Amino acid sequence: KAGVTQTPRYLIKTRGQQVTLSCSPISGHRSVSWYQQTPGQGLQFLFEYFSETQRNKGNFPGRFSGRQFSNSRSEMNVSTLELGDSALYLCASSVTGSTNEKLFFGSGTQLSVL
Amino acid sequence: AQKVTQAQTEISVVEKEDVTLDCVYETRDTTYYLFWYKQPPSGELVFLIRRNSFDEQNEISGRYSWNFQKSTSSFNFTITASQVVDSAVYFCALSEAANAGNMLTFGGGTRLMVKP
Repeated sequence: KAGVTQTPRYLIKTRGQQVTLSCSPISGHRSVSWYQQTPGQGLQFLFEYFSETQRNKGNFPGRFSGRQFSNSRSEMNVSTLELGDSALYLCASSVTGSTNEKLFFGSGTQLSVL
Repeated sequence: AQKVTQAQTEISVVEKEDVTLDCVYETRDTTYYLFWYKQPPSGELVFLIRRNSFDEQNEISGRYSWNFQKSTSSFNFTITASQVVDSAVYFCALSEAANAGNMLTFGGGTRLMVKP
């Protein structure tokens, strides 16, 4: 069974640009969540989608958005990039996204903003 | 608000030593779940163990064991007879039942280095 797949693996952008990251969950998993990992702030929850609906959102500005498609694949978008957006963005999936479920993570997309 | 604290930022041990990773959490919820995840250099977090707030029974699974104490809000994780392959960053995380869906609050992580 294939794991969580994130593309691209690495990305370099300049300030002011926008970026779209993609995540394909494990087959049969309907919940996809996104986390940002930085050396300073650690791992922070961005948002979670279940059945194409955003169910939870972390404390991030509106420049960060996401969506989920009918096949459970998810994308997140960051507009007007800032230097501080440089981070490893991790996607995780689970079957139903219930509170006690373990998450399966992808290897992440390393975003560098110059 | 929920919070998870891992006071140890980095631990270095020699292979075959036992090592305990500390985790302290804060939550107002009476129903919650605690997790440990491991992040090897490849980047993806790997699930290790899970405990719910109503089950304080401590268990051993292979070389892993955990000590959950609600009285001190601690959820410590022990690796027995450590191996070089255990070198990674370990994260403790909290999930509250009050949140609809899955939303983990992570600690800052503990980097474990196991030297041969």
